[in-house]
Amino acid sequence: DTGVSQDPRHKITKRGQNVTFRCDPISEHNRLYWYRQTLGQGPEFLTYFQNEAQLEKSRLLSDRFSAERPKGSFSTLEIQRTEQGDSAMYLCASSSGLYAREGPTGELFFGEGSRLTVL
Amino acid sequence: AQKVTQAQTEISVVEKEDVTLDCVYETRDTTYYLFWYKQPPSGELVFLIRRNSFDEQNEISGRYSWNFQKSTSSFNFTITASQVVDSAVYFCALGKTMDSSYKLIFGSGTRLLVRP
Repeated sequence: DTGVSQDPRHKITKRGQNVTFRCDPISEHNRLYWYRQTLGQGPEFLTYFQNEAQLEKSRLLSDRFSAERPKGSFSTLEIQRTEQGDSAMYLCASSSGLYAREGPTGELFFGEGSRLTVL
Repeated sequence: AQKVTQAQTEISVVEKEDVTLDCVYETRDTTYYLFWYKQPPSGELVFLIRRNSFDEQNEISGRYSWNFQKSTSSFNFTITASQVVDSAVYFCALGKTMDSSYKLIFGSGTRLLVRP
């Protein structure tokens, strides 16, 4: 039984470079979420996918950020032209939703996160 | 606007003591969900409980119990007879019940340190 996996676990990059994170959710889960967590704070929502459709994006997701889930399975989060303020832990979570109109009612299964450090 | 406040930044107790973690929330929704998650040093958030705003009954699960009081907009979490393994950061979170938004609003967390 595999949980949510994220890759890479750690990424150090120089300001201005592009980075991409990958998330593999639990295989039967149709819902996938990205959150960002900075030191001493709770996770902040970035975006949500239901299958391959991106249904919600936070204002935190500037035009430098893009997320995809092309086949409704794994997802990628790309940050272009990284800035020092992007340094954070990027968390992926998945869940199953029985009903399309159901909110985040169920348990979210989180991965261990991808830590980004921008120098 | 929705907001979750966890006023206790850090709590330190000695093993076997009881400890309560406070959570106060703000929302204009009449129906909503409340959650608690645990984040151990490994970093992976672990779901503990979900509570529907319709259900104000307190819940007990082993050494864990939750007190939901709609009148004071609080959803407090108590660990009885704490153990060293309970050391972690605990987050309270708020979510909507329908598809207007799928995000959870997390508080800033309370770091619990249980000393042997």
